Amino acid sequence: AQSVTQLDSQVPVFEEAPVELRCNYSSSVSVYLFWYVQYPNQGLQLLLKYLSGSTLVKGINGFEAEFNKSQTSFHLRKPSVHISDTAEYFCAVFEGQGAQKLVFGQGTRLTINP
Amino acid sequence: KAGVTQTPRYLIKTRGQQVTLSCSPISGHRSVSWYQQTPGQGLQFLFEYFSETQRNKGNFPGRFSGRQFSNSRSEMNVSTLELGDSALYLCASSKDAYNEQFFGPGTRLTVL
Repeated sequence: AQSVTQLDSQVPVFEEAPVELRCNYSSSVSVYLFWYVQYPNQGLQLLLKYLSGSTLVKGINGFEAEFNKSQTSFHLRKPSVHISDTAEYFCAVFEGQGAQKLVFGQGTRLTINP
Repeated sequence: KAGVTQTPRYLIKTRGQQVTLSCSPISGHRSVSWYQQTPGQGLQFLFEYFSETQRNKGNFPGRFSGRQFSNSRSEMNVSTLELGDSALYLCASSKDAYNEQFFGPGTRLTVL
């Protein structure tokens, strides 16, 4: 079974500083990876996805992630964060052949300080 | 295009009762998945429906069930509620397998 590990439960950063949220997944033949963001009292919003092709994936709100097969990682980055980026971020992977089951990491709470 | 809608947004029930949650997917999406989100267990997959058939199921007891209608709308039911069922229940829709899932705002269930 697939598993996802988000290495940091909380990440505090100052506004306009860069940030990296780390995600590792268990290896598999085919991997489909996602980052979602959850604002307070809301559902999940897709930030970006890796299905195939270029290992550098660009998403919404200035976020990007790099798929690294050898290190089984899919870290999320943003060069300059804003107060509005304060939220919980989830890394996820599809499990199984023909599956629609998403396996999520435990989440990383990103707090932006002014 | 309208997003995924879930009703109701909030529910308060007592132990032993049953509850039904509803989800309307994005138009044209035939797959609907349900997830439970709790502070302790995080986001856990409940089940997925495609064309009125349950295609995948997570590790939840039989008290949790669901169905999908011909218009792709889905409902999930929890019978004999327990305190531990208090959670945010999220519905997600997608076109089919290996397509990204779009989530609704969730239904927050509180069991007293």
